[in-house]
Amino acid sequence: GIQVEQSPPDLILQEGANSTLRCNFSDSVNNLQWFHQNPWGQLINLFYIPSGTKQNGRLSATTVATERYSLLYISSSQTTDSGVYFCAVTETSGSRLTFGEGTQLTVNP
Amino acid sequence: GAGVSQTPSNKVTEKGKYVELRCDPISGHTALYWYRQSLGQGPEFLIYFQGTGAADDSGLPNDRFFAVRPEGSVSTLKIQRTERGDSAVYLCASSLWADYNEQFFGPGTRLTVL
Repeated sequence: GIQVEQSPPDLILQEGANSTLRCNFSDSVNNLQWFHQNPWGQLINLFYIPSGTKQNGRLSATTVATERYSLLYISSSQTTDSGVYFCAVTETSGSRLTFGEGTQLTVNP
Repeated sequence: GAGVSQTPSNKVTEKGKYVELRCDPISGHTALYWYRQSLGQGPEFLIYFQGTGAADDSGLPNDRFFAVRPEGSVSTLKIQRTERGDSAVYLCASSLWADYNEQFFGPGTRLTVL
């Protein structure tokens, strides 16, 4: 099956800093989603982005499908951005999401 | 409801018992998915339904796990003869259709097998 690798595994920032999270995947995909898992375990949809670039407030994402990677940018980070960020993809042959191991982000005040 | 709902939010059971976990998808969503998340890991796929039928159940770990969606809306995940290794958060998601569609997750059911 498809492999999804996220980096870095852990990231510690000071409030106000910017960051880039990366997601590499091993095969063609028809769906790519970025999620934020909050401290209560809820997976919050950030982006549905199988290709191209999207922006939502302080967050933006870019997926380069031909090169099999996606980037999530967080600008002017806030303490409420803390949590685990997951990238998940769907292979072209199916509908299941395959998740990466996540990036644990800690934003200190 | 506005989002995916799951009940119960927490379930504690004893080894060997039977449990049922319920998922209520977003209204109008035809595809429903079950995932399982262990501590410190990303969610792992179990099964998904398109309508009433299980379109892919290849993620179910063994025959103690079974899921149904008899009317194409609410789904129940059933686990027989629970084992301590079944302890995890069970997540449900739904999407408008199975392919090329964004999945939305419920809050999960935390299952603890003593």
